[in-house]
Amino acid sequence: KAGVTQTPRYLIKTRGQQVTLSCSPISGHRSVSWYQQTPGQGLQFLFEYFSETQRNKGNFPGRFSGRQFSNSRSEMNVSTLELGDSALYLCASSLGQFNEQFFGPGTRLTVL
Amino acid sequence: AQKVTQAQTEISVVEKEDVTLDCVYETRDTTYYLFWYKQPPSGELVFLIRRNSFDEQNEISGRYSWNFQKSTSSFNFTITASQVVDSAVYFCALSEAETSGSRLTFGEGTQLTVNP
Repeated sequence: KAGVTQTPRYLIKTRGQQVTLSCSPISGHRSVSWYQQTPGQGLQFLFEYFSETQRNKGNFPGRFSGRQFSNSRSEMNVSTLELGDSALYLCASSLGQFNEQFFGPGTRLTVL
Repeated sequence: AQKVTQAQTEISVVEKEDVTLDCVYETRDTTYYLFWYKQPPSGELVFLIRRNSFDEQNEISGRYSWNFQKSTSSFNFTITASQVVDSAVYFCALSEAETSGSRLTFGEGTQLTVNP
């Protein structure tokens, strides 16, 4: 079974721009979660989608948004990028709400 | 308040030594889940184990073992006869079923270096 895939793997943007990251979950997994990892804040939960509905949301500003499609693929969008948004963005998928989450390789976003 | 505490920021051992990574958690939920993940230099988080709050049995998987003690709110991870390939950052995580659903709250991680 293929694992979680994320595209692109690396991204460089400038302040004020917006960015869209994509995540394809493991086949059969309907739950997709997003996390941000930075050296200062560690791993922080962004949001979770299940059956195209946002089921849970972390403490991030409204510039961070996401969605899930009918095939369970998910995208997250960050608008009006700030320098502090530079991070590794990790996507995880799971079968159900409390099952183990399997992570993708991440998208490393650099904001200049 | 920190919900998951991994007090050891860095640990360095020599190959074949046993090493224990500590994890202390805090929750008011009666139903919760604990996890350990490994993050090698490549960056991808690798799932190691999931344990629910009603199952305090210790688990062993090859060289890995986990000790879950509700009385001390700890979920420690031991690697026996460590190998260089075990070098990575290890994260302990908590999911509180009643208050925050499947959201994982991670500890700050422990950087393990196994020297040949």
